[in-house]
Amino acid sequence: AQKITQTQPGMFVQEKEAVTLDCTYDTSDPSYGLFWYKQPSSGEMIFLIYQGSYDQQNATEGRYSLNFQKARKSANLVISASQLGDSAMYFCAGGTSYGKLTFGQGTILTVHP
Amino acid sequence: DAGVIQSPRHEVTEMGQEVTLRCKPISGHDYLFWYRQTMMRGLELLIYFNNNVPIDDSGMPEDRFSAKMPNASFSTLKIQPSEPRDSAVYFCASSTSWEGSYEQYFGPGTRLTVT
Repeated sequence: AQKITQTQPGMFVQEKEAVTLDCTYDTSDPSYGLFWYKQPSSGEMIFLIYQGSYDQQNATEGRYSLNFQKARKSANLVISASQLGDSAMYFCAGGTSYGKLTFGQGTILTVHP
Repeated sequence: DAGVIQSPRHEVTEMGQEVTLRCKPISGHDYLFWYRQTMMRGLELLIYFNNNVPIDDSGMPEDRFSAKMPNASFSTLKIQPSEPRDSAVYFCASSTSWEGSYEQYFGPGTRLTVT
């Protein structure tokens, strides 16, 4: 079984600044994937970025990057150049196969103008 | 691609009534998932299917809940009888095993209110 922990219930950032959202995971499986999803106030779940446990480099997708530190079991999401539209709930999730994903409790990000 | 389609988007029903939620996964995806999201419990996996076969239904709360996937392009989640504590947003998601990563693509959700 996998456990995902997001310790920041809420985060604030100034527009155009970078922000890091924390995620730690706990699994005994050698092969796993880590995901970040965004849920804006409209309610849909939007896939942002994926990191596989065997990937040599940190994943990046546009302004999103994943700071993957295997020894610390952390998979933090970094959003560069924050925009007002980035204000949303962000979920970290982990899974060890094509099946189950375990989601964290989420972090609410508020971007101030 | 149209993405994952769910219907209805909103459902208001009275306690004791049967509720059926519907989902059409992305074409070609062989995994389908049903989730429930509440403020108290967060996002919970209820059940998932692979190639139309239920693989894990350990998250289904009780016998009042049932899910089917009669073909690759359609799934239902049924609650009978419904109770006020079933009020939540229900998401359907799909994914494919044909790609290196296995991110799940979510539908817009069905907001269920049981009065």
